[in-house]
Amino acid sequence: EAQVTQNPRYLITVTGKKLTVTCSQNMNHEYMSWYRQDPGLGLRQIYYSMNVEVTDKGDVPEGYKVSRKEKRNFPLILESPSPNQTSLYFCASSLSREVEKLFFGSGTQLSVL
Amino acid sequence: AQSVTQPDIHITVSEGASLELRCNYSYGATPYLFWYVQSPGQGLQLLLKYFSGDTLVQGIKGFEAEFKRSQSSFNLRKPSVHWSDAAEYFCAVGAFLGGYNKLIFGAGTRLAVHP
Repeated sequence: EAQVTQNPRYLITVTGKKLTVTCSQNMNHEYMSWYRQDPGLGLRQIYYSMNVEVTDKGDVPEGYKVSRKEKRNFPLILESPSPNQTSLYFCASSLSREVEKLFFGSGTQLSVL
Repeated sequence: AQSVTQPDIHITVSEGASLELRCNYSYGATPYLFWYVQSPGQGLQLLLKYFSGDTLVQGIKGFEAEFKRSQSSFNLRKPSVHWSDAAEYFCAVGAFLGGYNKLIFGAGTRLAVHP
């Protein structure tokens, strides 16, 4: 089954403790991206990647890092999480740059205390 | 700048009633427009999309949307709402920025359905 898998689904952590949210897709997609969803703000793009070793900032990249060492994986790294990064995070992928074929993961609810 | 506005944060309707969720966009070129639904605890599901052609677009679950260029709107409609339609709905525009297409989302409209 074609899917985008995020882990974990829920995560509670404390300020400053480094964490990684994993994202993996099994569709051989080139394009992957991360969004955060906040009440009243909708979804905003954090980072995206056009292919292996090619990443770029989205609209709200501060406080986040990403890497794309393999085509299937696109982890989101919070080196020093802060409470304002408490949010619902979504990973997405598509075969090419056409967003109409975007597949979303199920989301990761992160709480930073 | 490209943007999407969903004027209604919350909407409550009775089961069986008709529904219209509003969406206005700002984009210089011909937009790609989308409606997504997010059920509680779930990811995003694409309801329908508009690229070109017929301005009335049919989607899944009995939803439809109409593109009106003169009003920069892409409102979502359903003639008879079911309790299972309670969810959050996001309108989005596909914008070609930085050499690729990205999605710009509205803030969302949360729909509650009364029995």
